[in-house]
Amino acid sequence: KNEVEQSPQNLTAQEGEFITINCSYSVGISALHWLQQHPGGGIVSLFMLSSGKKKHGRLIATINIQEKHSSLHITASHPRDSAVYICAVEGGGNKLVFGAGTILRVKS
Amino acid sequence: DTEVTQTPKHLVMGMTNKKSLKCEQHMGHRAMYWYKQKAKKPPELMFVYSYEKLSINESVPSRFSPECPNSSLLNLHLHALQPEDSALYLCASSQPGQLEKLFFGSGTQLSVL
Repeated sequence: KNEVEQSPQNLTAQEGEFITINCSYSVGISALHWLQQHPGGGIVSLFMLSSGKKKHGRLIATINIQEKHSSLHITASHPRDSAVYICAVEGGGNKLVFGAGTILRVKS
Repeated sequence: DTEVTQTPKHLVMGMTNKKSLKCEQHMGHRAMYWYKQKAKKPPELMFVYSYEKLSINESVPSRFSPECPNSSLLNLHLHALQPEDSALYLCASSQPGQLEKLFFGSGTQLSVL
């Protein structure tokens, strides 16, 4: 079993839909990260969470430390949101353990 | 300047070649990372340099040799690679212990023939 599990693996949505991507982890962590990777490689850090909730524009990330679970929500989705969304956990020592990623496609 | 610049963007090499990947940042970050990413898989950590010293080596084969000549530069020297080493190689930087501000380069797509 991987330390970080994401679901779904693939997600297709219609423009404007509300999207949720889930991440569960099995190890103790100091923080959880959500990252976005567009085709061609570039990875962008979206959020780092150690508790509660963060919001940036149409993106919302939440974490429940007791349940070892985090969600990334996208409101009013747009085709430009199409990308791979990766959950990664930080256990210390400058190391991130990555989930397998969720491939999101938003159709217009 | 919030960029991590990687060169080259694409590299094709034979199994007997020696080549180097280069990564540069001017954000004053003192931690730099090499990741390897196979197609449709998440990145895997290879090496971490902290204050120009190698702090993490994730049991990477010796045909990959990292070098951090100064606080802005990170190299990955490649020698006698195998076809299974073909992957996207990503460089990243941050302040040590501050992964909240982790910046990635666009990667070098490496093909080993």
